[in-house]
Order: sequence, then C-alpha cells, then structure tokens
Amino acid sequence: DTEVTQTPKHLVMGMTNKKSLKCEQHMGHRAMYWYKQKAKKPPELMFVYSYEKLSINESVPSRFSPECPNSSLLNLHLHALQPEDSALYLCASSQVTTGNTIYFGEGSWLTVV
Amino acid sequence: AQSVAQPEDQVNVAEGNPLTVKCTYSVSGNPYLFWYVQYPNRGLQFLLKYITGDNLVKGSYGFEAEFNKSQTSFHLKKPSALVSDSALYFCAVRDRRNTLTFGKGTMLLVSP
Repeated sequence: DTEVTQTPKHLVMGMTNKKSLKCEQHMGHRAMYWYKQKAKKPPELMFVYSYEKLSINESVPSRFSPECPNSSLLNLHLHALQPEDSALYLCASSQVTTGNTIYFGEGSWLTVV
Repeated sequence: AQSVAQPEDQVNVAEGNPLTVKCTYSVSGNPYLFWYVQYPNRGLQFLLKYITGDNLVKGSYGFEAEFNKSQTSFHLKKPSALVSDSALYFCAVRDRRNTLTFGKGTMLLVSP
C-alpha cells in the first residue's frame, strides 16, 4: 500500500484564522515533505522532515508552521495567511535512502479569503 | 544544481496513436529520474523511475521511459494513447538533498 492520506481535502479560511492541515502514512517512511502547488505549476518544496526532525525549510514564511508528532504524522499549522497563499498543499513521504520513490497524497485545497 | 527541463507546454495526440512527452536533465553524477502524472484536481501519482540498470523503464498504466545518457534525456512514451491519459505530466530529478526538483510540466491532451 502506497497511501498518503491528507485532511481536510478542502479548507476555506479567513486571514485571521488558525487552522491545520494533517497528513498520515503507514508505509514506515521516515522522510515526510510538504509541497505547495499553484494551478498548472510544478510543486514547490516547503519543508522536509527526516526521522521526525526538520531537515529542510525552504525559507517559508513563519505563518506556516510544520510539526511532525511521530513517524506517521505530519501537520502544517496555518496562521494569519494571505490570499496569495491559496494553493494545493501536498504532503509526501519516502524512505530516507537516496533514490527511493516519494509518494504523494491527494492534497489539501486551501482558499484564503 | 540538478535540474530537468520539459520543452513542451502541451502535447496533442489522437487516441490510439503513440505518445511521447519529452524531458531532458542536467545533473552531476548519476541521475535519479522520475515521472509523475497529475489528473485534474488530484495529487501526483508516481509512474516510473530510473535509478540504474536497463535504459528502458516500464511503469504504471502502460507507460515507459527511455533513459539516454548521451542525449541527457528521459522521454516518457506509450505505444497507444487513451483519452483517459489526458493529464499534466511532470518529470523530476532527485537532487543532492534527496528531494524532488520538478520540470514545469507538460499537459497531454488525447483526442477521441
């Protein structure tokens, strides 16, 4: 099973709201990722966790706050977002070893109003 | 820096005809190359990858890709296109940080 589960599928939030995106995998993967994707554009890397520790932060604004509570879960906490943050947020996971396939979830569609 | 390029924004093909979606790469060392497909309003689905070994890689849904070191290419192919193959296709390379760097994407439109 190569399933990465993301919730919610759709989220509409105001600029003053606090919300969270959640991601779960049960493949025993120890690397987990957040990507942001605008319509018809390639995904852009935001964060990488390796063995539950943040290993890469692509200079993402602090209004996005990632969290990896355990090896199966990855959260993205959202606060004081801007309308330009509206996008598809993709969670992914893989083994840590170089060359292993990265598997993506279906994504969470975020609209900031 | 590791990178891939997809020269075509869109590829149009008639159902039943062979299809090719092009990808070229620029990497130092051995390339780890991937193809993903994204159907409308969906996440990315893994199709196939080249790590080492046979230059012809077979993947999901009847797709295959040919790794060509001399031309630094990794084109995606299918012998007979289906209307349901219409989607956005991304070539990607595993970079030195072990993350994926994507090409800009190619929209494949298969007409009945």
